[in-house]
Amino acid sequence: EVHLVESGGGLVQPGGSLRLSCTASTFTLSDYSMNWVRQAPGKGLEWVSYINTSGRTISYADSVRGRFTISRDNAKNSLYLQMNSLRAEDTAVYYCIQGFYFDYWGQGTLVTVSS
Amino acid sequence: DVVMTQSPLSLPVTLGQPASISCRSSQSLVHSDGNTYLNWFQQRPGQSPRRLTYKVSNRDSGVPDRFSGSGSGTDFTLKISRVEAEDVGVYYCMQGTHWPITFGQGTRLEIK
Repeated sequence: EVHLVESGGGLVQPGGSLRLSCTASTFTLSDYSMNWVRQAPGKGLEWVSYINTSGRTISYADSVRGRFTISRDNAKNSLYLQMNSLRAEDTAVYYCIQGFYFDYWGQGTLVTVSS
Repeated sequence: DVVMTQSPLSLPVTLGQPASISCRSSQSLVHSDGNTYLNWFQQRPGQSPRRLTYKVSNRDSGVPDRFSGSGSGTDFTLKISRVEAEDVGVYYCMQGTHWPITFGQGTRLEIK
């Protein structure tokens, strides 16, 4: 069974930074492209970012481009999302997802941006 | 960006009855490689989303065969042949053909 665990969420002030991590324990993360998707409280799903297996192909939603950075450390079997210049509208549960086809989702980590 | 429009947004269904959710895209989802990257996801209350189907009609392992995806071009449908209590939740379509990846607004299925 695929197991993805996100961490690093929490409460941060507007303008602050957070780094989310996603660790895979039951598969080799380097074999897969990965995505981040977020869901604001009570709202729908919004794709945030994509990274391919090598890390050379990366894409971002317009709403986060220039503020968020996706990366991966295949040796640590981990995926990251560095989030800078956070805004209230970035408040959401952030999910890490295995695969270009969005095969499996983690349980999510909540990011709250508020003063 | 490709806009994904789902209907209805709320779907009350009697147990054992069929249900159908429509998803329309603002442009064709046929990729230059010939594939159509349209997925359906289910999000039960309090849970993460899980994928039901990919590339329009391929059902995921463990997904009951009462779920089926169909469609082409810009019009897609998720059908549930006989709704069960465990099907309550929100259903999303998603296109992966064009960047950025976009989701439909979600359809909330409830039991009448």
